[in-house]
Amino acid sequence: QVQLQTSGPGLVKPSETLSLTCTVSGYYISSGYYWDWIRQPPGKGLEWIGTIQASGHTYSNPSLKSRVTISVDTSKNQFSLRLNSVTAADTAVYYCARGPSADYWDQGTLVIVSS
Amino acid sequence: EVVLTQSPLSLPVTLGQSASISCRSSQGLVHTDGNIYLSWFQQRPGQSPRRLIYQVSNRDSGVPDRFSGSGSGTDFTLKITRVEAEDVGVYHCMQGSHWPRTFGQGTKVEIK
Repeated sequence: QVQLQTSGPGLVKPSETLSLTCTVSGYYISSGYYWDWIRQPPGKGLEWIGTIQASGHTYSNPSLKSRVTISVDTSKNQFSLRLNSVTAADTAVYYCARGPSADYWDQGTLVIVSS
Repeated sequence: EVVLTQSPLSLPVTLGQSASISCRSSQGLVHTDGNIYLSWFQQRPGQSPRRLIYQVSNRDSGVPDRFSGSGSGTDFTLKITRVEAEDVGVYHCMQGSHWPRTFGQGTKVEIK
């Protein structure tokens, strides 16, 4: 059974960097698939942030691309998201999921951007 | 960017009746490998999304056969027959055929 779990701070100050890590169990990231980050602002729809493969190849949403860094650590079976220069508009529940069709999701982590 | 437009955005349904949700794409969703990566997700209140349908019409394991997906070209539909109370939530379509992946706005299904 594939399981994903996100860790990271739930509160980030404006202009700082949001950092989250997704740990995968039940499947080796190095075996394939894409590994996605998706977010959902309170009361709103889903927004795809970006993805990474075990090779390190990434693709990010152009709307966020200049602020997003996605990395992978296959030795720890983890992948990570960094979003810099955050504002209140980045307040959302952040999800990690297995791509390309998001068949497995984590429980979601609420990240609030506030001073 | 591919824009997915769902309709309706709110769908009150009587228990036991059927419901249909439309997802229209701003362009065709055939991937270079020939597949169409159009998925449907159910998000119950307070929960993470759960994939129901992948590649237009393939039902995920454990998903009741009351849920079905269909469509081609730029028009896709999720149908729920014999709606039950546990079907309440928001339904999202997502395309993975073109970068960036995109979602529809979501359709809220509620019981009348």
